[in-house]
This record gives sequence, C-alpha cells and structure tokens, in this order.
Amino acid sequence: NAGVTQTPKFQVLKTGQSMTLQCAQDMNHNSMYWYRQDPGMGLRLIYYSASEGTTDKGEVPNGYNVSRLNKREFSLRLESAAPSQTSVYFCASSEIQLEQYFGPGTRLTVT
Amino acid sequence: AQRVTQPEKLLSVFKGAPVELKCNYSYSGSPELFWYVQYSRQRLQLLLRHISRESIKGFTADLNKGETSFHLKKPFAQEEDSAMYYCALATASKLTFGTGTRLQVTL
Repeated sequence: NAGVTQTPKFQVLKTGQSMTLQCAQDMNHNSMYWYRQDPGMGLRLIYYSASEGTTDKGEVPNGYNVSRLNKREFSLRLESAAPSQTSVYFCASSEIQLEQYFGPGTRLTVT
Repeated sequence: AQRVTQPEKLLSVFKGAPVELKCNYSYSGSPELFWYVQYSRQRLQLLLRHISRESIKGFTADLNKGETSFHLKKPFAQEEDSAMYYCALATASKLTFGTGTRLQVTL
C-alpha cells in the first residue's frame, strides 16, 4: 500500500512555462485535494474533488487547473508559471470522516 | 466564514516541560477539529481528532466550544516531539488549516 504518491518530487520552472503535478492514491478514497504550503501561511487549499467527476475551487485557485482523471488520480496544472507559485505542493485524499492522508509533496521553484 | 488561528509561529520548550499549542476557531456550525503533525522532511499526518478523544503520543486536545478553542497539550515534552503542528477545522468536504506552530524541544 503506497498510500498517496506524487510526482515529481522537485521541479524548477522558468516564468511562463507550464507543468502538471501528478497525484495518485490507492486507498479507494472518494475525495482528493491539492494544497500549497508557504512559510507563515500554513496549508491553503487550491482545488479539491469531493468525488470522481467533480472538482471545486478552494481558497487559492487562480493560476491553476485540475483534472480528476479517475478515482485514483488527481492532477494539478500550472498553465503559465509565475514566481508567486514557488511553493511546496501537497496532494491528499480522504474518505467520509475527513481524515486526510497526504502525499510526500512536490517542491516547485519558479524563476 | 470558517477560520483557524494558531497565534504562535514558534514555541520553544525544554525537554520534560509541559507543552500547550494554541488553536482557536471561528465557525457557525458544529465544529469537527483535528491536529496534524509534520516531522522534518516527512509528510503531514493526523495526530488526533476531537471526536475520537484519543491520546496519541501523549498528546491530548479538548474542544472548548465556549472559548472556541482546541488547544493541544502534553505534560512532558520529548525531543521527538519537535515538529510543525497544524490545527484544522472540517467543514462540508474540506479542511481549513491554521498557519501552524513549530514546536522546538531543547535539552
């Protein structure tokens, strides 16, 4: 049981480049989430998917898009990266009791 | 709107001293609260939640609806408790996290 996996672990982008962060879970959870973690700001929800086929904006969705590819996978896309998107990105999944299981994170730097 | 406040960015205590990490929340409904912990270079993991009323690694937290607080406590800090601690409030199908408190336990 791998739990929640994320790829890549590290990424450096130039301003304006695009990329997709991948997330997969093997716990058969219905809900999946993308957060960003910044010093002094805690974790902020970017987008979430309460169930397969649905996605909703979180607190900081601007500059991001998501795709819930199937029940297992939930990807986060940066269409045109900006330095303000330099952050650590965490994916999480949960079932109905809302205990969220987190991935190891992706450290993204935009120069 | 819901909000979670953790007033301390850093809490430094000596080994063996009591620990209290503060968490206050703002929510009009019936709150469901959690504490998550992130050890150095590890992923976040659930420490405890108020509905289960468990004690995990010696930590406890009591929901005080009158003071809208969910402070995390441990009577005797250990070195391995050094980590980042996040309080979180569940609403609908998502969590709202506080900004986190770094606990530093020194000898």
